[in-house]
Amino acid sequence: RKEVEQDPGPFNVPEGATVAFNCTYSNSASQSFFWYRQDCRKEPKLLMSVYSSGNEDGRFTAQLNRASQYISLLIRDSKLSDSATYLCVVNMGRAGNNRKLIWGLGTSLAVNP
Amino acid sequence: DTGVSQDPRHKITKRGQNVTFRCDPISEHNRLYWYRQTLGQGPEFLTYFQNEAQLEKSRLLSDRFSAERPKGSFSTLEIQRTEQGDSAMYLCASSLWFRGGSGRETQYFGPGTRLLVL
Repeated sequence: RKEVEQDPGPFNVPEGATVAFNCTYSNSASQSFFWYRQDCRKEPKLLMSVYSSGNEDGRFTAQLNRASQYISLLIRDSKLSDSATYLCVVNMGRAGNNRKLIWGLGTSLAVNP
Repeated sequence: DTGVSQDPRHKITKRGQNVTFRCDPISEHNRLYWYRQTLGQGPEFLTYFQNEAQLEKSRLLSDRFSAERPKGSFSTLEIQRTEQGDSAMYLCASSLWFRGGSGRETQYFGPGTRLLVL
C-alpha cells in the first residue's frame, strides 16, 4: 500500500458544482495533514492545513478521519479558477520528531463553464 | 517579496555539464527542503536542512547531487555530470519548525527551477 493515495481523477465538473476528493494514508501515527493546490507548471501552494478533525475556509472544507485514515477535501460552488491539481500531503512524523512530508500524486480538477 | 525565491527559474544544459541552483528561504525559517517533480507526479523529497545541518537525504539523491546550506540561510543544490533523466522541476521549500510543535510545520514553496538536460 502506498503511504499516501489519492483519487486518480481527473474530475470534470460544471461551474457551481460541489466536488470532493479523498486521500488515504498508511501511517496511523501521522500528526498533520495538508492540502496543496498546484497550477500547471507552477509551484504547490498551501490550501489548507488539517490538525484536528477538520478545517473550513470559505468554499473549502477539509475533514480528517483518523479511525479510517483518510482526509477529504470538499469544494462547494466550484469556480473556473479552481481548476488545478490538488495534492494531499501527510506528515509522517511523531510529535516532536518531524520528518519529511509524504506527497500524494495529486488529483486533477477541471471546472467547465 | 518575502517568500521563497529560487534562481535560476529555467536552466538548459548539455548532458555531462554541472549545474547549480540557489534557494533563498523565508528569512525566519529554520528548515529548508529540496524536492524534484516530474510531469504528472507529486514532489519527490531529495534532502532537507535544519539551520546549516543536513538532516536527511533521500536514496534518490545519487552521489552526483550535493546540497549545502553553509550559513543556515540560502541553500545550493548542485548536480554534477548531468543526465537526461535529471530533467525536472527542482522545488525548494522552507518552514519554521520548533520542538513541541506536534508536527505543525507548514512548508512554503519557491517557484522552482526547471531543468532541461539535452
